[in-house]
Amino acid sequence: EPEVTQTPSHQVTQMGQEVILRCVPISNHLYFYWYRQILGQKVEFLVSFYNNEISEKSEIFDDQFSVERPDGSNFTLKIRSTKLEDSAMYFCAGSTGLTEAFFGQGTRLTVV
Amino acid sequence: QKEVEQNSGPLSVPEGAIASLNCTYSDRVSQSFFWYRQYSGKSPELIMSIYSNGDKEDGRFTAQLNKASQYVSLLIRDSQPSDSATYLCAVRNQGGKLIFGQGTELSVKP
Repeated sequence: EPEVTQTPSHQVTQMGQEVILRCVPISNHLYFYWYRQILGQKVEFLVSFYNNEISEKSEIFDDQFSVERPDGSNFTLKIRSTKLEDSAMYFCAGSTGLTEAFFGQGTRLTVV
Repeated sequence: QKEVEQNSGPLSVPEGAIASLNCTYSDRVSQSFFWYRQYSGKSPELIMSIYSNGDKEDGRFTAQLNKASQYVSLLIRDSQPSDSATYLCAVRNQGGKLIFGQGTELSVKP
């Protein structure tokens, strides 16, 4: 069964450093999302991506964040200058349409 | 008012009982509703989707939707200890994004 794959599973980075989180969506998915979940809190929407452009973004998704689908398969989330409060699980998700979304296993980002 | 609200729990039920999980949402024009299960430290896993009023059954799970009351529920019959997890209600808004509730922690006691 195809699945959404995220790498790395865990990333530790120093405050102020740039990180890139990677996702390989399921091949027939057209809509892509990044969500984050701070420990003990709810799953929060960051950004949605369709037809090679951002379709919606949250207030969290400020200028420090960017997304790309550079080669038609990988879907990346870049955080330019990490802060302590960026420590969270980051989930990539995809869907074929405005229906069910399937999540990757997540990347745990720890900013020290 | 929160967009998607759930009781955080924990909800504790004995093995074999029915667990009932509830969710309300604020956006009247929402059309798509989902229940996800999340084990500690893991990603959300889709259990059920429901798009029209009424009940939808899949094995031991039944989702119920009442758009007039802006209410979605999930029933788990014959609850098992392996069902112990946090259950997330999610609503897709007009723009397409999924909005999650804070989740209800379910504990099934053997």
